[in-house]
Amino acid sequence: AQKITQTQPGMFVQEKEAVTLDCTYDTSDPSYGLFWYKQPSSGEMIFLIYQGSYDQQNATEGRYSLNFQKARKSANLVISASQLGDSAMYFCAMRDPGYSSASKIIFGSGTRLSIRP
Amino acid sequence: DAGITQSPRHKVTETGTPVTLRCHQTENHRYMYWYRQDPGHGLRLIHYSYGVKDTDKGEVSDGYSVSRSKTEDFLLTLESATSSQTSVYFCAISEGLAGANEQYFGPGTRLTVT
Repeated sequence: AQKITQTQPGMFVQEKEAVTLDCTYDTSDPSYGLFWYKQPSSGEMIFLIYQGSYDQQNATEGRYSLNFQKARKSANLVISASQLGDSAMYFCAMRDPGYSSASKIIFGSGTRLSIRP
Repeated sequence: DAGITQSPRHKVTETGTPVTLRCHQTENHRYMYWYRQDPGHGLRLIHYSYGVKDTDKGEVSDGYSVSRSKTEDFLLTLESATSSQTSVYFCAISEGLAGANEQYFGPGTRLTVT
């Protein structure tokens, strides 16, 4: 069965430093997708970045990049030059390809990132 | 921002009463999902829909039912609320082949069952 693991329940980082949030996954399907979402204290879920299993290059979106290491089954999120507004809960997620009527996403338990001024 | 609203945003109800949460989208996306979020569990899928009147169960569907009579609306019903259903409920939508694109989430509904 597919599984997403985030081993860092919480992290503290100094403002302007880069930060890496860890995510490992487990799947036997060759076709899958990986996502990162941000949940600030206000509660909404914000889509950040996506990586497909067949994508040759690591995904990037502004200050966010995904360090995709397929052989190690890891999909770490890198945030460059962290800002106070980056303080939030971050969820790694994987599209469960299944072969049912719709794709479903499974989520990790999240990492709470706190940026220190 | 994706046009997704949820109502109500907050609700307190008593054990044993029925509760219906509504998700409304203006994006005309085919796929809609209901999740619950509890501390230590991330988000878990309750039910999902792949079209009008087409729904299926997720991993934590016991005690919940759904209906989708229009593309834009997806209703989640707790037939007889229990304290274990106290949670934050999120609706999400997606598109693409079998809904494979990223999901966009509504603002959430905080439900408390006393």
